[in-house]
Amino acid sequence: DVKVTQSSRYLVKRTGEKVFLECVQDMDHENMFWYRQDPGLGLRLIYFSYDVKMKEKGDIPEGYSVSREKKERFSLILESASTNQTSMYLCATSPGAIGNQPQHFGDGTRLSIL
Amino acid sequence: DQQVKQNSPSLSVQEGRISILNCDYTNSMFDYFLWYKKYPAEGPTFLISISSIKDKNEDGRFTVFLNKSAKHLSLHIVPSQPGDSAVYFCAATFNGNQFYFGTGTSLTVIP
Repeated sequence: DVKVTQSSRYLVKRTGEKVFLECVQDMDHENMFWYRQDPGLGLRLIYFSYDVKMKEKGDIPEGYSVSREKKERFSLILESASTNQTSMYLCATSPGAIGNQPQHFGDGTRLSIL
Repeated sequence: DQQVKQNSPSLSVQEGRISILNCDYTNSMFDYFLWYKKYPAEGPTFLISISSIKDKNEDGRFTVFLNKSAKHLSLHIVPSQPGDSAVYFCAATFNGNQFYFGTGTSLTVIP
């Protein structure tokens, strides 16, 4: 089974802080993704990565950056946290373009910005 | 613009009856469609998928139907059980890399 591990289940930070959310996968998947989930808005893609050191903007990249220095780890960075970034953050992985394969998700990080 | 839409935010069904969750999409390039189930405070878990070359895929109590001409897919759960109560997301992709998700339908199965 694919295991996608997010470093924290719950996190509380203050406005203006730099926040790091970490995601690690153990299945050697090429692709990794960061989403946020908000009520009524579903899952919105923030950034994704096809390979080490590669990143692509998703639908809502503003206020976020990412880092992928190793294949198994994908970090989401909130450069200067704001209250509108309070949300559930979900990391996902997929094998890449080798045929139809689903994404696999971590359990999420519930982030509150005060 | 939302390329995958779930127009029903919620659905309530009696235990033992059929649950039908619907999803519409706009991009005719999509060739792989998925349903995920999500419990509160957990990540989505993959439930069932269908390739665009098929019109039906069945896995136990879960069946997904695809109508390409209408750009519509549906998930049928028969019989519905209380443990099926969750939020269901449909998703689609055309390159196996980027996935597009609907906004979710919250299913409540009443015992």
